[in-house]
Amino acid sequence: DQQVKQNSPSLSVQEGRISILNCDYTNSMFDYFLWYKKYPAEGPTFLISISSIKDKNEDGRFTVFLNKSAKHLSLHIVPSQPGDSAVYFCAAGGTGSARQLTFGSGTQLTV
Amino acid sequence: DGGITQSPKYLFRKEGQNVTLSCEQNLNHDAMYWYRQDPGQGLRLIYYSQIVNDFQKGDIAEGYSVSREKKESFPLTVTSAQKNPTAFYLCASGRQVIGGELFFGEGSRLTVL
Repeated sequence: DQQVKQNSPSLSVQEGRISILNCDYTNSMFDYFLWYKKYPAEGPTFLISISSIKDKNEDGRFTVFLNKSAKHLSLHIVPSQPGDSAVYFCAAGGTGSARQLTFGSGTQLTV
Repeated sequence: DGGITQSPKYLFRKEGQNVTLSCEQNLNHDAMYWYRQDPGQGLRLIYYSQIVNDFQKGDIAEGYSVSREKKESFPLTVTSAQKNPTAFYLCASGRQVIGGELFFGEGSRLTVL
């Protein structure tokens, strides 16, 4: 049972436009969420995070939105650049049995 | 520079052989992790260790073994019992804080012939 789902395996966006990557989760014990970016044959690198007490966190061109009632988060990249082309993973963690990060299956973004 | 070093980057082995992947970190992190990535799938947790001489099974520990004799080192052995060992293996480390990010190595690609 996938507790963190990224339903879009790929997304193609024109340079300069907005990229929106989505992530859904099912475990109510998750209370913090992270986005990682991964290039081929490299390890993921941390991009941005958000805790459940917030609904938005912004860092430069990257903004993460959290809708707790819908168990949904999204990553917005504005404006999109060719160097943003990568696989993006969302990850979720919490306390207790949810302490270890659970990752989604990733979305390949092509700009 | 602080970071996580995985070796080897590429490894080929014959079926039935055990192989050991190395992971070293100089970030002074207490926690270390091994993940496996397969095409179209997310990162799946194999083993993790929160302190020296202690480690816990993750979601897909069968066919793998680890040790944590030093804080800096967390090697992963892929044994012959692992039914489908060909994959991309990622080591990570992190601080023991809730919400803390993980830092990943560059990965090791294991191909079993």
